[in-house]
This record gives sequence, C-alpha cells and structure tokens, in this order.
Amino acid sequence: QLRLQESGPGLVKASETLSLTCTVSGGPISSSSYYWGWIRQPPGKGLEWIGFIYYSGGTKYNPSLKSRATISVDTSKNQFSLKLTSVAAADTAVYYCATPGLGFGELPPDNWGQGNLVTVSS
Amino acid sequence: QSVLTQPPSASGTPGQRVTISCSGSSSNIGNNYVYWYQQLPGTAPKVLIYRNNQRPSGVPDRFSGSKSGTSASLAISGLRSEDEADYYCAVWDDSLSGPVFGGGTKLTVL
Repeated sequence: QLRLQESGPGLVKASETLSLTCTVSGGPISSSSYYWGWIRQPPGKGLEWIGFIYYSGGTKYNPSLKSRATISVDTSKNQFSLKLTSVAAADTAVYYCATPGLGFGELPPDNWGQGNLVTVSS
Repeated sequence: QSVLTQPPSASGTPGQRVTISCSGSSSNIGNNYVYWYQQLPGTAPKVLIYRNNQRPSGVPDRFSGSKSGTSASLAISGLRSEDEADYYCAVWDDSLSGPVFGGGTKLTVL
C-alpha cells in the first residue's frame, strides 16, 4: 500500500512562491500509479484539484490557476513537488497530495496524504 | 461554484437511512466512475465508494453507492453518531481532463 506525506512551510508571504513536497513510500514513484496529484481545500470550503503529473512525466493543471502551478517529480528521492507562484490570501488552504490506487487510469484519487496547511500572510 | 452539485446539509437520527445526491453532466458522471469520500474534522478525505458502488476493504456495508445517468447517490443505513462528517462526491471530467468534486454535504446525526 502506497503512503503519501506532504512537507513544506506553513506560512508564505503574499506574492511569493509556495513550495510543497510529497514523499511516496511503499513503491516506486516511476511506475506505481497513473498520476501523482495535488488537491487543496480552503478553510471551511470544498476540494479543488490543482494538477498532476502522469507516470509518463506529462503534466496537467486546473485552468483556474492561470498557469501559476508547476508539478515535478524526483524519482531518485521518490518525491513529487508543487510550486505555486504569486500567491495571495485566496491560496490559503490545506494542500493534499493524492493518487489513484484502486485502479490505473483517469480516476479520482483514493490515496491521500494527511495534508499540509499553508497560510498566506500579507 | 463546484462542478458537481450536492445538498449542503443532510441529517438523520441513529438507525435511520439517509441518502446524499450528487448531480453532474455527460462529461463527468454520465461517462465516468463516481467516488464518495468521508471527511472527519481535521483529517484527509477517506474513500468510501469507488467505481460507483464498490467499497474498499474496511468500509462497512452500511455505505452504498449508485449511479443513474448524470446523477449519483450515497446511502448510509443504520446511521451512527460516528457517521457525522462531511461527504464529497468526485468523478473524472472529460472536458477538464481532471477530477472534479462536489461542494460537500455536512451530515448531522441528531
């Protein structure tokens, strides 16, 4: 069973870049899942897909983020990362890394990290 | 504004059966598998139902899912106090080429 763990700063200043890392254990990131993704949840609100990186290395992002997000993978460390530029208060959220583990394909994620709260300060 | 529509709240008394609906379109629910998650306060979403009506190991059979056309439902029978949580539906959207989520339903056990 794959396990995912987010890490990164809990506080980021407005206009700067948010950087988070997800460490995967229990299997090689290069072949264990169809995609490795990031999802966020603002306080008291619902879930929003940010983007993901496919097992093949390609990426896909939610258009609502207007090209501010970049997801990359480091196979040597079995990690994948998120960078979100020009953050604002609206980017304050719990950020989850997640992956589909109950199937290989275009499916919602079923395996989630525990989440990392990131607060954007002014 | 979420792509999938859920009622914001639902409630029931212990032992009752409650259902939560999720409405979408032909580009998501109409053509793909629906998932349901339970989220307890301060925790990550946990999958209850995948592929419309399948339960992962460890999920009680009190939870069941169904899908018809562009809508789906989660049913919880024999309601318990520990079922009080937020519930989300999710599905792959072919237009967005990514997963979309409902706005969530807060279930209260009276």
